[in-house]
Amino acid sequence: GNSVTQMEGPVTLSEEAFLTINCTYTATGYPSLFWYVQYPGEGLQLLLKATKADDKGSNKGFEATYRKETTSFHLEKGSVQVSDSAVYFCALTTTDSWGKLQFGAGTQVVVTP
Amino acid sequence: NAGVTQTPKFRILKIGQSMTLQCAQDMNHNYMYWYRQDPGMGLKLIYYSVGAGITDKGEVPNGYNVSRSTTEDFPLRLELAAPSQTSVYFCASSYSTGDKNIQYFGAGTRLSVL
Repeated sequence: GNSVTQMEGPVTLSEEAFLTINCTYTATGYPSLFWYVQYPGEGLQLLLKATKADDKGSNKGFEATYRKETTSFHLEKGSVQVSDSAVYFCALTTTDSWGKLQFGAGTQVVVTP
Repeated sequence: NAGVTQTPKFRILKIGQSMTLQCAQDMNHNYMYWYRQDPGMGLKLIYYSVGAGITDKGEVPNGYNVSRSTTEDFPLRLELAAPSQTSVYFCASSYSTGDKNIQYFGAGTRLSVL
């Protein structure tokens, strides 16, 4: 079956620090990969996605590259802000899964001034 | 600009009570989903629907029921609530599947069963 593994949190950083959140996956089909973000008290919202190998998804200064050879989709941001404090979820879907997303456990990020 | 609307936002139930969590979307999406989110865990899919009148079980369906009589609404029914159903419930919808699948989430319903 499909599965997603994320690094455990919380990750605590100072403002302007570099952020990396590791995500690896296993999938029976050819997956599309996503990062969703959940701000405190809110639902999840799509941050970025990549649909084929070597694609780079980017949004709001965040980037992630679809690495088929290492089955990874690590999220990075060069300079975080306090407003980036949230829980980040890596997820995948495959063409045979009827749109169902398989989520990782989530990584809480706390950015301090 | 409503998107996905969930009601109620909070609810406390006694063991054995029942309730319905409401979910409505105004984006004309065919696909709708119910997830639960437990502390420190990712989201687990409870039920999903690919269109009005069509529903199917997800990963953790036991203790829940759903119906989809219209494109817009996808209520989740809890019968005989149990403490194990204490969780945050999210409804989501999407236009399509596969690489075009972007799911839009509601703000969640926080449920406590005591």
